Amino acid sequence: EVQLLESGGGLAQPGGSLRLSCAASGFTFNIYGMNWVRQAPGKGLEWVSALNGPGRNTYYTDSVKGRFTISRDNSKNTLYLQMNSLRAEDTAVYYCAKSGTGGGFFDFWGQGTLVTVSS
Amino acid sequence: EIVLTQSPATLSLSPGERATLSCRASQSVSSYLAWYQQKPGQAPRLLIYDASNRATGIPARFSGSGSGTDFTLTINSLEPEDFAVYYCQQRSNWPRTFGQGTKVEIK
Repeated sequence: EVQLLESGGGLAQPGGSLRLSCAASGFTFNIYGMNWVRQAPGKGLEWVSALNGPGRNTYYTDSVKGRFTISRDNSKNTLYLQMNSLRAEDTAVYYCAKSGTGGGFFDFWGQGTLVTVSS
Repeated sequence: EIVLTQSPATLSLSPGERATLSCRASQSVSSYLAWYQQKPGQAPRLLIYDASNRATGIPARFSGSGSGTDFTLTINSLEPEDFAVYYCQQRSNWPRTFGQGTKVEIK
């Protein structure tokens, strides 16, 4: 059974940093792309970032480029999102999502971790 | 960036009725479109990928169709558990984008 468990969310001040983690199990982690998708309170879904299986190719939505860094440790079956220079508009539930075969869609999701950016 | 526009914003139907949800892309996404269901307080769940392929474990009452710029998600004979918000998403281009969602509510 595929399981994705996010952690690391919480309250951060504007300009601050947080690091999210996503522990994966139930599949061969190192051959699948992984993603972060967020959802602001009461709003729709927004794709944030993706990373291919080996971890060499990264992709970001424009609003987080230069501030967020996606990475993975395939020896620990864990995905990360380092978030720097946080803004109020980054407040959201952040979901870790596994890419389906062929990439680009999200076949399994974690339960999410809430990030709140406020002074 | 490819913009996905979903219609209607809200669909009010009774259990047993058919739901027809639309997703229109600002440019062709070929067949690279997925549909997700989200219930309050829960993570999204993949229903359909590549326009018409049902994900594992998804009931046959859910079906997807379309290609290019116009896509449809059909839910035949709504069950009580189908009342939720539905999102389309394209994987044709970066950045990946979602539609704004259609809420299917009980009439």
